[in-house]
Amino acid sequence: KQEVTQIPAALSVPEGENLVLNCSFTDSAIYNLQWFRQDPGKGLTSLLLIQSSQREQTSGRLNASLDKSSGRSTLYIAASQPGDSATYLCAVYIYNTDKLIFGTGTRLQVFP
Amino acid sequence: GAVVSQHPSWVICKSGTSVKIECRSLDFQATTMFWYRQFPKQSLMLMATSNEGSKATYEQGVEKDKFLINHASLTLSTLTVTSAHPEDSSFYICSARWVGQPSYGYTFGSGTRLTVV
Repeated sequence: KQEVTQIPAALSVPEGENLVLNCSFTDSAIYNLQWFRQDPGKGLTSLLLIQSSQREQTSGRLNASLDKSSGRSTLYIAASQPGDSATYLCAVYIYNTDKLIFGTGTRLQVFP
Repeated sequence: GAVVSQHPSWVICKSGTSVKIECRSLDFQATTMFWYRQFPKQSLMLMATSNEGSKATYEQGVEKDKFLINHASLTLSTLTVTSAHPEDSSFYICSARWVGQPSYGYTFGSGTRLTVV
């Protein structure tokens, strides 16, 4: 059974810091991995999608890497801002089951 | 593109009544839609997968007679919580799968906060 874990569970940092959020999964047979952002009481916003054949994806201040063999992904946030405060979720797509399995999430707070 | 609209955003209902939540794909055809449930400060748990024109597939432990899912068209899926009880209070989110380039991705609705009193 695929299990997805995110570390840390919560993070509080001052504005301007560079951040690293971690995601690990137990079964490396994934099709792709997606990072999402969720604001309180809201739905999910897709940030980055990495295919299993790719090593990383970048969008603005966000960079996500994928090491499928070791079952790890990292979301790097450069020069954090208060507007980045949210919960960040990673999810892996299991091809043969057509399911998206979510991680436990990291609650991020960036204070001015 | 790939927008999913979910309504209502919040609903309060009395115990014993039924509540319907709609999920629409606005600019693409969603052959497959997914329904999730999220408890406070927890991650999303998949409840069921619905395919257009066929019966939904429920995850283990999810009561299919309580959570009725209908996916009658390529743009609309509905979740009906029947005979709701306070323990059904939760945040429900739908998702639709789109086939873009280079590969699959998921788009989520904005969620529905259900409170049963």
